[in-house]
Amino acid sequence: AQTVTQSQPEMSVQEAETVTLSCTYDTSESNYYLFWYKQPPSRQMILVIRQEAYKQQNATENRFSVNFQKAAKSFSLKISDSQLGDTAMYFCAFMKHRNFGNEKLTFGTGTRLTIIP
Amino acid sequence: SQTIHQWPATLVQPVGSPLSLECTVEGTSNPNLYWYRQAAGRGLQLLFYSVGIGQISSEVPQNLSASRPQDRQFILSSKKLLLSDSGFYLCAWSRLNDGSYEQYFGPGTRLTVT
Repeated sequence: AQTVTQSQPEMSVQEAETVTLSCTYDTSESNYYLFWYKQPPSRQMILVIRQEAYKQQNATENRFSVNFQKAAKSFSLKISDSQLGDTAMYFCAFMKHRNFGNEKLTFGTGTRLTIIP
Repeated sequence: SQTIHQWPATLVQPVGSPLSLECTVEGTSNPNLYWYRQAAGRGLQLLFYSVGIGQISSEVPQNLSASRPQDRQFILSSKKLLLSDSGFYLCAWSRLNDGSYEQYFGPGTRLTVT
């Protein structure tokens, strides 16, 4: 079974600074996907960024980027120029590669990020 | 564009009462659908998933059940609620995007069992 670990329950950073959220996972699979989801106070889960395990290049989406270290089974999220709207719970999630129809997400316990004005 | 709806948004029910939560997806056909539960201060736990009408797979044994009467409708039910059923219930659908599968979540239902 897969496990996802987020070792930072809470973090805070000043507005406009850069913050990195950590995530490690354990799997015996060779092909899989990793995701970061954001859950603001509204509690809607929002997909932030994804990474395919077979790609060596780290994914980026505007101010969000990841540091994917496959050998170390590490998948951290970097938020640059942080904004007040980035305040949320952030969840790291793992998905095994399967034929379409059975893509289950395994989530970490989350990191509560607070952006301080 | 695709949208996903859940209702009700909030529900307070007594122990032993029945439950019915509904999820519908618009703008896509034959989606894979999922029910997750999020306990207070914790991550999400997959409860059920469905790959088509009438096809339901259960991940966690419990007193909950799911049904998919229509292609884009997914229902979570219980005949008798327990206190431990309290939580935030999220429905999700998935699509293939540029070679990887992504799940998109609805706004959720906050259930309190009293």
